[in-house]
Amino acid sequence: GDSVIQMQGQVTLSENDFLFINCTYSTTGYPTLFWYVQYSGEGPQLLLQVTTANNKGSSRGFEATYDKGTTSFHLQKTSVQEIDSAVYYCAMRDNSNNRIFFGDGTQLVVKP
Amino acid sequence: ETAVFQTPNYHVTQVGNEVSFNCKQTLGHDTMYWYKQDSKKLLKIMFSYNNKQLIVNETVPRRFSPQSSDKAHLNLRIKSVEPEDSAVYLCASRKWGANTGQLYFGEGSKLTVL
Repeated sequence: GDSVIQMQGQVTLSENDFLFINCTYSTTGYPTLFWYVQYSGEGPQLLLQVTTANNKGSSRGFEATYDKGTTSFHLQKTSVQEIDSAVYYCAMRDNSNNRIFFGDGTQLVVKP
Repeated sequence: ETAVFQTPNYHVTQVGNEVSFNCKQTLGHDTMYWYKQDSKKLLKIMFSYNNKQLIVNETVPRRFSPQSSDKAHLNLRIKSVEPEDSAVYLCASRKWGANTGQLYFGEGSKLTVL
């Protein structure tokens, strides 16, 4: 069945460190891939949509890449700040059935 | 700016009681969802409605029942709560068939079952 796997449960960094979060997906359909961010006390919100294989999306200093060959997609940021502390989810929509699956989330803690 | 409104934001109750959560979106979307977020932040889809029709019904206990009066509203009733129902319930909406497929979430309704 369809699934999204996000292995990193928690990542702790210092300001200006490099962030890299990886997800893999499995589907028989044609997926649309996303990254969502959830700040404390709020609902998740879209950070990036990754629409084309081997192309990058970018927003707020974050970049997302998608590799169709390895069925993986990544989120990265060159220099994280304390305000980036949040939970980051990868997500996949299978276009054939409109379910949207979320990875388990990565809790990012950025220390000043 | 919030466009998906959930009430109540918090609810504390005893095992066996009935609880209802309400959700309204003002985005003109036609598809709405309920997700459950547990204490480990895992997000699991529960139900989805498109134009008042149930289109996604994941394996959830029968004490959970969604209700939709129109495409802007989706409520969730829990008939007899259990301790494992303690979680944050997140409502979301989107435009069916849109290329972006972006979900817009409310702030959540946190349920604590004593």
